Amino acid sequence: DIVMTQSPLSLPVTPGEAASISCRSSESLVSSNGYNYLHWYLQKPGQSPQLLIYLASNRASGVPDRFSGSGSGTDFTLQISRVEAEDVGIYYCMQAVQYPLTFGPGTKVAIK
Amino acid sequence: EVQLVESGGGLVQPGGSLRLSCVASGFTFNSHWMSWVRQAPGKGPEWVANIKKDGGEKNYVDSVKGRFSVSRDNAKNSLYLQMNSLRAEDTAVYYCARGSMATGNAFDIWGQGTTVSVSS
Repeated sequence: DIVMTQSPLSLPVTPGEAASISCRSSESLVSSNGYNYLHWYLQKPGQSPQLLIYLASNRASGVPDRFSGSGSGTDFTLQISRVEAEDVGIYYCMQAVQYPLTFGPGTKVAIK
Repeated sequence: EVQLVESGGGLVQPGGSLRLSCVASGFTFNSHWMSWVRQAPGKGPEWVANIKKDGGEKNYVDSVKGRFSVSRDNAKNSLYLQMNSLRAEDTAVYYCARGSMATGNAFDIWGQGTTVSVSS
């Protein structure tokens, strides 16, 4: 199974400042079509997870442009350019290149 | 409105069975792979199973193989998860989620979840 790791696991942030979350996979997430099958989700308190970024760098519908994703192969990053109070929650990366699909342990983002 | 609504959760004894359902609305159900994802209390999500648009391919995480079975009825816009030989470690909120080819099968729509508790 592909193992996903994230850092940090906890991230206190100040509104208006930038934040960055790292996600690493134990194997390459590049598919035969050249795309990186790495997706990012946010689970806000008491809610179901919601898709933020798909295929490493594409914002999902309705996601603010302060969220961006980058990376390739085994190293990926989610960046929030200016954190807002509504961005608190747990951020998960997930690989979809190989079964079983696996999630990272999550990064909890909280306001300082 | 695009929506997924799960039902069928509850309290069951170890070794028992449950059948979860997920009804889709607001989109063309038979155009999408569908998945079940679970989340144990205080833990992150765990993908459980998925099924191809026409039901012709199914995949499972090892821990549920031989015990769980995913199916769908496209005429009823419904997804199912038959869970047998339930164990305490199957206790979780179970979500159904829509996959989209356009997004690399990322889960772009999630239901609100249904809670399964396995305990004597």
